[in-house]
Formats: sequence, structure tokens, C-alpha cells
Amino acid sequence: DAEITQSPRHKITETGRQVTLACHQTWNHNNMFWYRQDLGHGLRLIHYSYGVQDTNKGEVSDGYSVSRSNTEDLPLTLESAASSQTSVYFCASSDLGLAGETQYFGPGTRLTVL
Amino acid sequence: AQRVTQPEKLLSVFKGAPVELKCNYSYSGSPELFWYVQYSRQRLQLLLRHISRESIKGFTADLNKGETSFHLKKPFAQEEDSAMYYCALRTGRRALTFGSGTRLQVQP
Repeated sequence: DAEITQSPRHKITETGRQVTLACHQTWNHNNMFWYRQDLGHGLRLIHYSYGVQDTNKGEVSDGYSVSRSNTEDLPLTLESAASSQTSVYFCASSDLGLAGETQYFGPGTRLTVL
Repeated sequence: AQRVTQPEKLLSVFKGAPVELKCNYSYSGSPELFWYVQYSRQRLQLLLRHISRESIKGFTADLNKGETSFHLKKPFAQEEDSAMYYCALRTGRRALTFGSGTRLQVQP
């Protein structure tokens, strides 16, 4: 079955280290998104991509980067992890169906920066 | 800029009681509104969207442009409705703007 997966599911790292979170979808969706989920803030958009080689900054993009070299993957990189980046990260992809566009979410990655 | 407000962090009701989860938005154009739900240990999933005018799991939501609201309602809450509910807005870009979420707790 087509799906969207994230890895790792849990990660503990230290301040200053580079971390990459993987997102992989097998639906062949052009649109992919990264959000972070924090208590009291809901989900906030970090970066998004509308296709290969396309990337765009979201609401909270500082300290994060993405690259899109193929349709299936949108890895999220924290260049130098900070404690403020401790969060749960969700990847999503979307298509345009008969009922409009629907975003499908991955299971999330819980990142702790010590 | 667009904004979604969910004023209640926690809503606790008894089984069989009516439920209303509030959502207000700010956007000057024509919005697309959604409710997403996250059950315990599960991923976020779409519950319903305003353009479909559908009822899913007994939940309905009507877009009120005059009051800029999209409240989620269910006449009789069930224990399995306990979850985190997020209202979301799309304004032309494909990305969504989410509210801060409301935790619904349905007590037996």
C-alpha cells in the first residue's frame, strides 16, 4: 500500500550537531511539507515543496533546510541543533483529488535536543 | 496574515452530551477550512472539509463567513471521540495554517 513514512521515529541529539530527518512517500505526490508540533502552538509550517528541485520557506524555517532531489523524499536538516528545536516533526504530502486537496501525514519524529 | 484560533485547549464532556469545538479564522479572501483529528498514538488525519459539507463519524462543521467561524459539532459524544482536534485553513498556497488544537475528553 502507498504510504508516507518518517525515520527515525525518535531521536536524541546534542546541541550543535547536524540532524537529518527523513520523509518518504510512495504516492507520487508532488507536494510535500514539514511541520513541527509544539504544545500551545499546534502545527507550524517549516518548509514545503511543490515538486523536484522546488523548496520554499514556511512560518518557522530558521535553522532548518530541505532539499528535493526526487518526488518521493523530502529530508529535513537541522544545521546546528538547538534546544528550541526539541519538538515532534510531521511530514505530509498532498494530492488533488475529486474532493479537493488532501494532506496525508506521516507518523511523526520526536526529536530531543540536549 | 492568516490566523486560526481555537480558544479551548481542553474540552471535557460526558458520553452522550453535545460537543462543540470552536474555531475562528482571519483571512480576507475565500478560505478553505478543515478539521484534522489525532487519536492517541496515531497520525494526524483529515476529519472533514467545509467544501464537502459532509458528516463524518457524526461530526459536522459549517463555515460561517460572517462570523469567520468553522465550529465542529456532534450531538452525542462517544468515548472514542476523545482525541486532539485541529482546525486548519488553506488560503491559496497548498500548505495549511493550523490552530493550536483542542483536546476533547469524553468521560464515561
